[in-house]
Amino acid sequence: EAGVAQSPRYKIIEKRQSVAFWCNPISGHATLYWYQQILGQGPKLLIQFQNNGVVDDSQLPKDRFSAERLKGVDSTLKIQPAKLEDSAVYLCASSLELTSATGELFFGEGSRLTVL
Amino acid sequence: AQSVTQLDSQVPVFEEAPVELRCNYSSSVSVYLFWYVQYPNQGLQLLLKYLSGSTLVKGINGFEAEFNKSQTSFHLRKPSVHISDTAEYFCAAGPGTYKYIFGTGTRLKVLA
Repeated sequence: EAGVAQSPRYKIIEKRQSVAFWCNPISGHATLYWYQQILGQGPKLLIQFQNNGVVDDSQLPKDRFSAERLKGVDSTLKIQPAKLEDSAVYLCASSLELTSATGELFFGEGSRLTVL
Repeated sequence: AQSVTQLDSQVPVFEEAPVELRCNYSSSVSVYLFWYVQYPNQGLQLLLKYLSGSTLVKGINGFEAEFNKSQTSFHLRKPSVHISDTAEYFCAAGPGTYKYIFGTGTRLKVLA
């Protein structure tokens, strides 16, 4: 079974530029999550999708971050314009159940963003 | 508000020695508890989880954890570590809804 796929693995941009990350979850997983992991911290949920609908985006900085999951499968996370503090690893995860707290999250390898 | 605390940011231990990584949670509701491991340049992988039932939970790679409700703890243990266990370990809690809360992580360094 293929795991969660993410690209690109690494990205270096200058502040005020834009960047996009792509995620393809495990086949059949209805729930998809984007986490931000800053160095030395635990993952922080940015947004959660159930199929193509948003379940939670309360911690997404909506003035610069956007995410979509148009067909309920793969997803794109965009940052525009980027700030220095956006330097982090962006992790995509998926789960079979709606209630992730009772089930396992499957993570991709992450996309490491460096903003100069 | 729910929170997860991992007091030790780094734990060095010699190979074949036992290790305990500490996790405390704060919640006014029933919790589900998890330990994830993150190897360098990889995503997180589930080690074990506690949902209900026996308070001693066994996971992959010889790890186990004990849920202690009175001390609000879920410490991770392994009786004998290997070099390959060097990684970052995250404790997480779910309050029965859809949201995970992660701790800040503990970096386990196994020394030869």
